[in-house]
Amino acid sequence: EAQVTQNPRYLITVTGKKLTVTCSQNMNHEYMSWYRQDPGLGLRQIYYSMNVEVTDKGDVPEGYKVSRKEKRNFPLILESPSPNQTSLYFCASSRVGRTDTQYFGPGTRLTVL
Amino acid sequence: AQTVTQSQPEMSVQEAETVTLSCTYDTSESDYYLFWYKQPPSRQMILVIRQEAYKQQNATENRFSVNFQKAAKSFSLKISDSQLGDAAMYFCAYNFGNEKLTFGTGTRLTIIP
Repeated sequence: EAQVTQNPRYLITVTGKKLTVTCSQNMNHEYMSWYRQDPGLGLRQIYYSMNVEVTDKGDVPEGYKVSRKEKRNFPLILESPSPNQTSLYFCASSRVGRTDTQYFGPGTRLTVL
Repeated sequence: AQTVTQSQPEMSVQEAETVTLSCTYDTSESDYYLFWYKQPPSRQMILVIRQEAYKQQNATENRFSVNFQKAAKSFSLKISDSQLGDAAMYFCAYNFGNEKLTFGTGTRLTIIP
């Protein structure tokens, strides 16, 4: 089954404790992206990657890091989480090409205390 | 920069009736894609319908159809014969190229039995 998986699905942590949210896709997609969803703001892009070792900032990259060492994986790293990073996070992937639609993961609910 | 505006934070409709969700966008591009995504309580992002800007014909998917007015930069979603399972948050989104989806702030749809 074609899918994007994220782990963990729920995470409660404390300020400053480094964490990683994993994202993996099994569709051999070149393009992967991270979004955060906040009430009243919709989804906003954090980072994206067009292929292995190619990453770039989205609209709200501050406080986040990403890496793309393998085509299937695109982890989101919060080196020193803060309460304003409490949010719902989505990973998405697609083939490169304008006619494609992005496949979304199930979401990760992160709470930073 | 491209922006997407959903001016109706909440909408409600009687079961079996028809409802229209509004979306406007701003872009200087002539060729792009527009989408409506549904987010039920499970938080999964589900593609409802998509429209290519170069196509004059409005897209339809069963009970879901759009009214695409390119000159007015308007992209509304019509849901016919509303069902309880249609209750969700609906997001309008814009895509030019493959770098990212730009989302509106969402409309929460309630179905009244």
